[in-house]
Amino acid sequence: EVQLVESGGGLVQPGGSLRLSCAASGFTFSSYAMHWVRQAPGKGLEYVSAISSNGGNIYYANSVKGRFTISRDNSKNTLYLQMGSLRAEDMAVYYCATGSGSYYYYYIDVWGKGTTVTVSS
Amino acid sequence: QSVLTQPPSASGTPGQRVTISCSGSSANIGRNTVNWYQQLPGTAPKLLIYSNNQRPSGVPDRFSGSKSGTSASLAISGLQSEDEADYYCAAWDDSLNGWVFGGGTKLTVL
Repeated sequence: EVQLVESGGGLVQPGGSLRLSCAASGFTFSSYAMHWVRQAPGKGLEYVSAISSNGGNIYYANSVKGRFTISRDNSKNTLYLQMGSLRAEDMAVYYCATGSGSYYYYYIDVWGKGTTVTVSS
Repeated sequence: QSVLTQPPSASGTPGQRVTISCSGSSANIGRNTVNWYQQLPGTAPKLLIYSNNQRPSGVPDRFSGSKSGTSASLAISGLQSEDEADYYCAAWDDSLNGWVFGGGTKLTVL
């Protein structure tokens, strides 16, 4: 069974940093693109970032470009999202999700339960 | 403002058929397939329909998807109380080179 477990969320002050992790199991992690999608309180889904299976191709939404860095460690079956210069509008539940192929234009398949990021002083 | 446009709400009574629309452009729905996600209250989204009209294993055949031009639809027949959820459409956008989502439709079973 595919499992994605996010961690690393929490309370951070505006301007601060946080690193999210997503531990994957139940599938061949190194064969699939991975995604981060967030959902602000009471709002819809917002696509944040994605990385191809070998890490060679990366996407960032304009809203996070230059502040967030996505990476993956295929030896540890883990996806990361390093978030910096955090703003109030970054406050959301962050979901890790698998792609259905090696590149991130294949549909987003299985989602983790999410980790909550709160940005407040 | 979401790139894909969905009605904010929809409703129906048990047993009824309900449809949810998703409107996009030539950069996304017009050129690429559409996927639908179901988000039950307090849970993570779940893939409901992929490639316009394909159901993953375990999704009841009461759920169906279609696409025409730059629009897509999700149909739910034989509506059940457990279908009460938020539904999101998504498509790859060739201009943004990334995924775009609809704003979500909250389905209420009366």
